[in-house]
Amino acid sequence: DAGITQSPRYKITETGRQVTLMCHQTWSHSYMFWYRQDLGHGLRLIYYSAAADITDKGEVPDGYVVSRSKTENFPLTLESATRSQTSVYFCASSELGGEAFFGQGTRLTVV
Amino acid sequence: GESVGLHLPTLSVQEGDNSIINCAYSNSASDYFIWYKQESGKGPQFIIDIRSNMDKRQGQRVTVLLNKTVKHLSLQIAATQPGDSAVYFCAEKVNNQGGKLIFGQGTELSVKP
Repeated sequence: DAGITQSPRYKITETGRQVTLMCHQTWSHSYMFWYRQDLGHGLRLIYYSAAADITDKGEVPDGYVVSRSKTENFPLTLESATRSQTSVYFCASSELGGEAFFGQGTRLTVV
Repeated sequence: GESVGLHLPTLSVQEGDNSIINCAYSNSASDYFIWYKQESGKGPQFIIDIRSNMDKRQGQRVTVLLNKTVKHLSLQIAATQPGDSAVYFCAEKVNNQGGKLIFGQGTELSVKP
């Protein structure tokens, strides 16, 4: 199916564990983004990517790692999860001059 | 620094009335603005956009106004319906900065039947 999909939709992990959130888009958009959404903070940009093998930090990158080996995939890794990383994570994609299209989100709970 | 903010965190309107949601931005280099609607449990959905060379853009029941002098953006929804109840976000982009999209805090719109 065309679009942008995130997996998993829900994840519970323990403090200190590594966890990877997946994002896949079928439009061949150049740009991809990861946001986290917490109550009272709206959507905050974690990392973004302009093309394969090009990534850059957003507003809140600490504790996260991204990679973009293929245009269609943009995984987000929490190398050692902390409780403060409990959040809803959204992936998005766009072309340079256009709007961003969002996935359904991943609700991550760190216990 | 860059920031996009909203004047009102919540807005309650009667069904059939018009709604106006406001947004202030601080980056004068921003050249593209987008309004998103987010329903509970879903990702943000595109509503309407406007580029910095325009003052007004209309869609179906929605109008976006851009005032670059005071760095203000507004979303007007005509004849508000219960299905319009959601959180609305404005977002700004500076295209020569790699297309990075920055969001404001959001306004929750509640439509009373």
